[in-house]
Amino acid sequence: SQQGEEDPQALSIQEGENATMNCSYKTSINNLQWYRQNSGRGLVHLILIRSNEREKHSGRLRVTLDTSKKSSSLLITASRAADTASYFCATVPSGGGADGLTFGKGTHLIIQP
Amino acid sequence: EPEVTQTPSHQVTQMGQEVILRCVPISNHLYFYWYRQILGQKVEFLVSFYNNEISEKSEIFDDQFSVERPDGSNFTLKIRSTKLEDSAMYFCASRGWEGTYQPQHFGDGTRLSIL
Repeated sequence: SQQGEEDPQALSIQEGENATMNCSYKTSINNLQWYRQNSGRGLVHLILIRSNEREKHSGRLRVTLDTSKKSSSLLITASRAADTASYFCATVPSGGGADGLTFGKGTHLIIQP
Repeated sequence: EPEVTQTPSHQVTQMGQEVILRCVPISNHLYFYWYRQILGQKVEFLVSFYNNEISEKSEIFDDQFSVERPDGSNFTLKIRSTKLEDSAMYFCASRGWEGTYQPQHFGDGTRLSIL
């Protein structure tokens, strides 16, 4: 698989439920970020977790990072219809300098009212 | 909240023509980027720009592409001789620096359609 692969590719849940998305990557990273993209729109930054962090919270979002497994998860609690979007993880490689983001294919999340 | 703005939102161009996509990054940001997203595919990095020069470019960013910061506010991507496979959404992004790495902020993109 390529750097920044999310699973599942699609997820449909009921409003109020929690949604969990996973991301795997291959190379050493400086940080990992999660973005949201609504249909036809740009990417909205959600949360950044650095390589020396294991967990981070922002509102209803919780992100974990396991550098030994090269994986991350994004948990959205108490989902709302407005959370319907595609979610992408993106990594910045370690080593300094180059910081073009490498994105995964994303998880398309549908929240059913 | 400050935003990255891109113009035009949709550009239709004949194959072989030159096209310039424009971006106004967030005003106090120092690092600028272009990405593209072909329909149904992942977002791909093209190029990063800092201190008036390219700091990194991907394999996609070949000789037909160029970037420029012609003044203190605009950041442009030029495609010299467009091909059908250049049809995609093109996103501009910028980020600042506050002692630690700050996330990239994206514009809403320009949809480029090559006929």
